[in-house]
Amino acid sequence: GNSVTQMEGPVTLSEEAFLTINCTYTATGYPSLFWYVQYPGEGLQLLLKATKADDKGSNKGFEATYRKETTSFHLEKGSVQVSDSAVYFCAPNFGNEKLTFGTGTRLTIIP
Amino acid sequence: DAGVTQSPTHLIKTRGQQVTLRCSPKSGHDTVSWYQQALGQGPQFIFQYYEEEERQRGNFPDRFSGHQFPNYSSELNVNALLLGDSALYLCASSFLAIYNSPLHFGNGTRLTVT
Repeated sequence: GNSVTQMEGPVTLSEEAFLTINCTYTATGYPSLFWYVQYPGEGLQLLLKATKADDKGSNKGFEATYRKETTSFHLEKGSVQVSDSAVYFCAPNFGNEKLTFGTGTRLTIIP
Repeated sequence: DAGVTQSPTHLIKTRGQQVTLRCSPKSGHDTVSWYQQALGQGPQFIFQYYEEEERQRGNFPDRFSGHQFPNYSSELNVNALLLGDSALYLCASSFLAIYNSPLHFGNGTRLTVT
C-alpha cells in the first residue's frame, strides 16, 4: 500500500547549521510530493513541492529533490535561522487528490 | 484576499454532545477538505467536498459528516463526541481543475472533549 515515513523529532540545531529532514515513501505509482510547515499556533503552509522524478522544489532557502530510485524527498537547508523553528510535514499525494501526512518533525533553532 | 477562515478557534464540548465547525475557503477555490490533527501527529484526512457533494472519505466513522454550501463554504459535524475526538480540525481549500493544486489551510479549530 501507500505510506510515508518521516524522520522522528525533535531536532535541535544551532543557528546557521545545515538541516536535513528525511522523508521516504512507499507507493504503487508515482506520487506528487509536498513539504508543509506549521508554525506555532497556525495552520499548515505549503513550503515546496515536486511532481515528477528528479524535480527539485525550493522555497525560502529550503530544497528537496524527488528521488524515484530511493523513493525519497529529503528536506534540506544550508543555514537555518531561528525563524525556521516549526513543525515540518512530508506529504505525498498518491494520486487520489488527498494528502497523506507524515508524523511531523519538530525543529528548534537556538541562537 | 482572505485565505481560509475557520470558526470557532477553540471549542470545549462534553462527551456525547454534537459539534459543528465552519470553514470558508480561499477566494477562487471550489474544493474543501477536512483533516483531523491529534496532538503530536500529522493531519489525517476526513473527507473532501466539491460541488456540494462528498467526493471521497478517509477512515472516519459515520459520526463525522459534512456539508458544502453553494458559496463553497463548508461545515464539519461530529455527533456523539468521544474523548478521542479531541484534536485540531483543519480545513483546506483548493481548485479542483488544477492538477496538484496546493492545499491552503486555515488555522484550525481546537476541539476539546471532556
